[in-house]
Amino acid sequence: EIVMTQSPATLSVSPGESASLSCRASQSVSSNLAWYQQKPGQAPRLLIYGASTRATGIPARFSGSGSGTEFTLTISSLQSEDFALYYCQQYNNWRRTFGPGTKVDIK
Amino acid sequence: EVQLVESGGGLVQPGGSLRLSCVASGFTFSSYDMSWVRQAPGKGLEWVSYVSRSVSIEYYADSVKGRFTISRDNAKNSLYLQMNSLRAEDTAVYYCARDRWDAAFDLWGQGTMVTVSS
Repeated sequence: EIVMTQSPATLSVSPGESASLSCRASQSVSSNLAWYQQKPGQAPRLLIYGASTRATGIPARFSGSGSGTEFTLTISSLQSEDFALYYCQQYNNWRRTFGPGTKVDIK
Repeated sequence: EVQLVESGGGLVQPGGSLRLSCVASGFTFSSYDMSWVRQAPGKGLEWVSYVSRSVSIEYYADSVKGRFTISRDNAKNSLYLQMNSLRAEDTAVYYCARDRWDAAFDLWGQGTMVTVSS
């Protein structure tokens, strides 16, 4: 099983600032890496797939980078609606695995 | 509208069974692989099971293998999860999700809560 780790666990950011979230895979997942946003009481929403491709309707302030084992989600100029939980997930094989999540909260 | 709607959750005793359903609309259901993903209260996301669009391939997480069975009826645009021998640790919100090998889980339902307790 590919183990996904995320850091930091919590990130405190002021509105208008940028945030960088990290995700690491225990072995290479090529570019088969997705990022999701989840707000309390809601289902996750796909933000990024293929490590760097924004899903339909996702604002340009969300960007993804990386390949292999190291990945980054960058949120530029955080808006109030961006404070949420973020999960990375690998889909390089059928045994999909998620990271434990990074909570982005208001500083 | 493109959407997935789950149902069938509820309270069940340990050792009991439950069948979850997920109805798809707004897209050609038979053209997509599907998965179930769960989230225990206050915890992260855990992939549970996958079924291919043609129903010929199924995969399960080790934590549910032998107890859960995924199935689908393309004529009814429906996905199912039969859950047997339920345990307290199966308590979670269960989501169905459209599973794309090239784009991960790009569509999610709103979830249905399963509580296993005596």
